[in-house]
Amino acid sequence: DAGVTQSPTHLIKTRGQQVTLRCSPKSGHDTVSWYQQALGQGPQFIFQYYEEEERQRGNFPDRFSGHQFPNYSSELNVNALLLGDSALYLCASSFGLGVSNQPQHFGDGTRLSIL
Amino acid sequence: AQSVAQPEDQVNVAEGNPLTVKCTYSVSGNPYLFWYVQYPNRGLQFLLKYITGDNLVKGSYGFEAEFNKSQTSFHLKKPSALVSDSALYFCAAQNTGGFKTIFGAGTRLFVKA
Repeated sequence: DAGVTQSPTHLIKTRGQQVTLRCSPKSGHDTVSWYQQALGQGPQFIFQYYEEEERQRGNFPDRFSGHQFPNYSSELNVNALLLGDSALYLCASSFGLGVSNQPQHFGDGTRLSIL
Repeated sequence: AQSVAQPEDQVNVAEGNPLTVKCTYSVSGNPYLFWYVQYPNRGLQFLLKYITGDNLVKGSYGFEAEFNKSQTSFHLKKPSALVSDSALYFCAAQNTGGFKTIFGAGTRLFVKA
């Protein structure tokens, strides 16, 4: 039973570029959330996708956008990259929207470095 | 603003001794509370959760957590620490019916042999 998989594992970009990160949820899960974890900090909620729609959004600018596909996989896109976007980006999956008492399953993340 | 606080950046304990990692929360209503653990270069792994009922929750790897509503705390405990418990621990809260998870900043646990 595959868990949450993310690709790529590492990525180096320069300021102003655009990046796409990918996530496949755990088998049986239909909800995907994305988090940004800066060095030495806890994960910060970016947004959540369910039924191919963004359902909730954290305090992140419009440069951060996403998509969910019919097979429940998801992409995170970041435009006009800034140095401050350097972080570990975590994808988490769960089953059912609003089932807030269930733990999320996390991937190992994509380490994004902006030069 | 809703928040989760982990007042200790680091906790040091000797192997075999009990450990406590502290967490307090400021979230409206009766949130669901979680502990996750993160090993280097890995994602977060679920340890345990409090939904309702008994204030002492038992989880994976011998960990347990004590919920205290009056103090809005959810401290992680283990009776006897192992060197392999050394990792980064995160406390998290979710509003009932909400979808966002709020994480604390994390506490690094060092267990010395």
